Amino acid sequence: AQSVTQPDIHITVSEGASLELRCNYSYGATPYLFWYVQSPGQGLQLLLKYFSGDTLVQGIKGFEAEFKRSQSSFNLRKPSVHWSDAAEYFCAVGARGGSTLGRLYFGRGTQLTVWP
Amino acid sequence: DAMVIQNPRYQVTQFGKPVTLSCSQTLNHNVMYWYQQKSSQAPKLLFHYYDKDFNNEADTPDNFQSRRPNTSFCFLDIRSPGLGDAAMYLCATSRDRGETQYFGPGTRLLVL
Repeated sequence: AQSVTQPDIHITVSEGASLELRCNYSYGATPYLFWYVQSPGQGLQLLLKYFSGDTLVQGIKGFEAEFKRSQSSFNLRKPSVHWSDAAEYFCAVGARGGSTLGRLYFGRGTQLTVWP
Repeated sequence: DAMVIQNPRYQVTQFGKPVTLSCSQTLNHNVMYWYQQKSSQAPKLLFHYYDKDFNNEADTPDNFQSRRPNTSFCFLDIRSPGLGDAAMYLCATSRDRGETQYFGPGTRLLVL
């Protein structure tokens, strides 16, 4: 069965520090992979996605993520965090085919706090 | 800008009183989704429309219904809201199944 694990429920970093949010997935084949960000009381905004090709993908707001097939991981990184990055981050796996085509499987989310 | 719009942003209803949430999109996408998100949890898919084809998730309660009168609009109807239905309801769209989903800002539902 498909599943997504975000092992860190809450991460706190200082402004200007680097950031890595972890995401591991379980899927029978190579999935579509997404990172979304959600500010309080808002919907989900797409940060970046991986469908195929280059395993290092660039997103908005200076974020990047690397797909590592051997580790079933899709970790999100940012070299220097800004206070406005404080939000909840969701990793999601998208089914490529079969009866679940189009369905997104979300991790439980990682809440990011940024100290000034 | 093309976008996904949800109205209202906040909805207060009484226990057992039917409520309808609205979603519209200017992206001309074929697929529209409804998710329920409770506090500090991941979004949970309730159902989706692929064009006019309705696809219900197996564990979505019968209390939740949906309508899609045209490509642009989709509605979520909660026939008899209970206290446990208080949540954020997110609408999303994608051009086709298996493609990127774009989310609206959500409707926060409070049940008194």
